[in-house]
Amino acid sequence: GQQLNQSPQSMFIQEGEDVSMNCTSSSIFNTWLWYKQDPGEGPVLLIALYKAGELTSNGRLTAQFGITRKDSFLNISASIPSDVGIYFCAGSKTGNQFYFGTGTSLTVIP
Amino acid sequence: DAGVIQSPRHEVTEMGQEVTLRCKPISGHNSLFWYRQTMMRGLELLIYFNNNVPIDDSGMPEDRFSAKMPNASFSTLKIQPSEPRDSAVYFCASSLEGEKLFFGSGTQLSVL
Repeated sequence: GQQLNQSPQSMFIQEGEDVSMNCTSSSIFNTWLWYKQDPGEGPVLLIALYKAGELTSNGRLTAQFGITRKDSFLNISASIPSDVGIYFCAGSKTGNQFYFGTGTSLTVIP
Repeated sequence: DAGVIQSPRHEVTEMGQEVTLRCKPISGHNSLFWYRQTMMRGLELLIYFNNNVPIDDSGMPEDRFSAKMPNASFSTLKIQPSEPRDSAVYFCASSLEGEKLFFGSGTQLSVL
């Protein structure tokens, strides 16, 4: 199946710093989702995007649906230790077939 | 809502044994998905159901894998016979009209 290119693969940042990660696809998507996965748990939905150019926030998290519809971005402001985890993007054309990125592993150093 | 419920959380079995994973989707959701997660291949879609009907099973690795959804509140993924390369975390997810995908906590499968 199709996989999305997600970058960076890993990040090590100081507490309080802002974080940016992105996801790109060779195909146009109509939905972008962003997830966070903690060890031993399933991915938890953070933000859902449905329109090109859409900018949506969830607390300190902000995600954007790229204008080309082939990419999406996630920003975390003022990172804290509990932000540690693996972040995944997921894209869909039809709403039932979701393709997942390879993940960005985030480490926050106190 | 209780969320997507999977059982068991952990399964250790010997090669050749039958393995059955279970999933209860979120009440009212009409689509159910089975994913497999490994370090090498990430999250892979195995099969998904819409209104209890299998729509796309192209991700099922081989005939040893089968999935059923006898009603709107229950699904199983069966591996028979199991092999060591089947070791992975298996996730069930559900959605309403394909808008947002909600995952269960997964089943960690180890085939010795």
